[in-house]
Amino acid sequence: GAVVSQHPSRVICKSGTSVKIECRSLDFQATTMFWYRQFPKKSLMLMATSNEGSKATYEQGVEKDKFLINHASLTLSTLTVTSAHPEDSSFYICSASAPGYWGGVYYEQYFGPGTRLTVT
Amino acid sequence: AQTVTQSQPEMSVQEAETVTLSCTYDTSENNYYLFWYKQPPSRQMILVIRQEAYKQQNATENRFSVNFQKAAKSFSLKISDSQLGDTAMYFCAFMTRMNRDDKIIFGKGTRLHILP
Repeated sequence: GAVVSQHPSRVICKSGTSVKIECRSLDFQATTMFWYRQFPKKSLMLMATSNEGSKATYEQGVEKDKFLINHASLTLSTLTVTSAHPEDSSFYICSASAPGYWGGVYYEQYFGPGTRLTVT
Repeated sequence: AQTVTQSQPEMSVQEAETVTLSCTYDTSENNYYLFWYKQPPSRQMILVIRQEAYKQQNATENRFSVNFQKAAKSFSLKISDSQLGDTAMYFCAFMTRMNRDDKIIFGKGTRLHILP
């Protein structure tokens, strides 16, 4: 259980275009999802927390107009990179929060497989 | 603010050996949760082991065990009988609580190479 998928797994787009990345919880409902960015050989950097039906909460330094997050349903959150530039090239990972190991009292984050974005 | 520090950027060990990855953290909280995540070359994040701070007993999961020293704020991961499939990036992580929208704080990671 608790499987999270991401689509696409990799995408190449031209500079100035927008690209959408989907994050889906396949076998559970996720009120909260998280979006991370990971540079090569670096740690995960939290970009934003996405809550179903409300605006995302962005971390300091993350441009909300550039990285649009929409969590329209309990199983889908999307990250749209608008007017992408080569410096936006990175590995983007989502996670979804669900009742975990100890049952409903505790929540764990289940990670998607990531999306590699290359902007040319 | 909570911080997680992994002081070993990269390590290499021979297959079947035991290896210990170090992690220290800083928090003013008394109860919290600590994790080790594995990120193999596929880049899928995999939870290896978790520890609740109020539990004195060290967590174990098969060949993986932790040495949790609360007073020293240390949380090391021991991998016994290491296997080639253990080659990965390992992240130590911290959460104050495990509520639905709580954030994970990750360390910078240790790249572990298991040599044949």
